[in-house]
This record gives sequence, C-alpha cells and structure tokens, in this order.
Amino acid sequence: DTGVSQDPRHKITKRGQNVTFRCDPISEHNRLYWYRQTLGQGPEFLTYFQNEAQLEKSRLLSDRFSAERPKGSFSTLEIQRTEQGDSAMYLCASSRPGLATNEQFFGPGTRLTVL
Amino acid sequence: AQSVAQPEDQVNVAEGNPLTVKCTYSVSGNPYLFWYVQYPNRGLQFLLKYITGDNLVKGSYGFEAEFNKSQTSFHLKKPSALVSDSALYFCAVRDLKGLTGGGNKLTFGTGTQLKVEL
Repeated sequence: DTGVSQDPRHKITKRGQNVTFRCDPISEHNRLYWYRQTLGQGPEFLTYFQNEAQLEKSRLLSDRFSAERPKGSFSTLEIQRTEQGDSAMYLCASSRPGLATNEQFFGPGTRLTVL
Repeated sequence: AQSVAQPEDQVNVAEGNPLTVKCTYSVSGNPYLFWYVQYPNRGLQFLLKYITGDNLVKGSYGFEAEFNKSQTSFHLKKPSALVSDSALYFCAVRDLKGLTGGGNKLTFGTGTQLKVEL
C-alpha cells in the first residue's frame, strides 16, 4: 500500500514567482483534501475534491491559489505571485469513498519558503 | 462553528509512566473526533477516531482516547509511554459546516508536543 505522495518536498522561491505542487493520493481514494500548516499551528483546510469535482474552497484560498484534479487522480495546487505569507507546509490528504467519517491519510507535505 | 482546544503546548512524561494529552471540542451537532500524530519531516498519521458507540476508543501503537460528552473532551491516553512516542499530537473534529458530497473537512487543534524521557 503506497501512501499519499507529494512533490516536491521542499520549494524555495522568490516573492512574485509562481509555484505548483503535486499530490498523488492513495489509488482507491476518491476524496482529496489540501491543508496548509504554519509553524505552531494545526493544519487548516484549503480545498476538497470528490473525484474531479472541487466541492469546497476555504476563504483562505485567495484568488492567487488554484487547485485542480483533472482526471480524479492526482491533484495540483498552484500559487501565483507568491508572497512571504504563503510560506508554510502544504499538506495533501485522501480518504476512501463511502462514509464521510472515513479517516484521512496525509502525505509528507511540501514545505514552501518564499524569500 | 466547530473548534478544538489543546490546552497544553507540551507534555513531559517519563518512559513507562501513563500519559494523557488533553483535547476539548465545541460542535453544534454530534462530534466526530480524531487524533493524529506528526513526526518530524513526516506527514500526519491517523491514530484513532470516535464516531459513536463506546466512549473508550482504542487505536494504533497502544493509544486510546476517552470521549466524555458532558465535559466535551476527547483526551488521548496511553498506559505506558515510550521514548518513541515523542512527537506532535493533534486533535481534530469533523467540521459539519459546508462540505458537500459527504466529505470530511477537519478542524485541528494547535497541537501538543509530547516528550517522553528516560
């Protein structure tokens, strides 16, 4: 059983640049979530996909952020015109179809540093 | 809105002693509660969950959690701590607002650093 994978694990960028992160969920999981975690805080929900449909977006997801899951498998999270406040760990999680209370399985995260 | 509080930033315990990591919650309906553990440079790992039924929930690595509705608490416990249990622990509640399609958006606490010493 391969877990959730994320790429890259680390990204350093300059302010104003665009960055894109990839998440590959566990293969049979149809639900995919993105969270952001800053130092000293718990993860905060960003967005949620069921298959290829993006069903929920947090108000934390400004218009500089966009997420896609075109074929219902992997997902990408893009941040345009990065700002220093975007520096955080971006976590992806997936869960099985069925009960809404199924636990989420998290990837190792992508740590973004905006200089 | 749902919320979770973890009142202790850090808990220190000697190896072999019992440990408790505290969590209280606030929800408008039935609480669905989770505990996750985060090791350095690794993602969150699921430990256990409470959905319904017995108030004592058993999970991975010998951990258990006690659900107390009257105190709105869901404390994580282990009878005998190991040095390898040292990690960051997060309590989470399913957020029932929004989230169409049956998803399971989680609201997390701020985490408790557990340090187990010899």
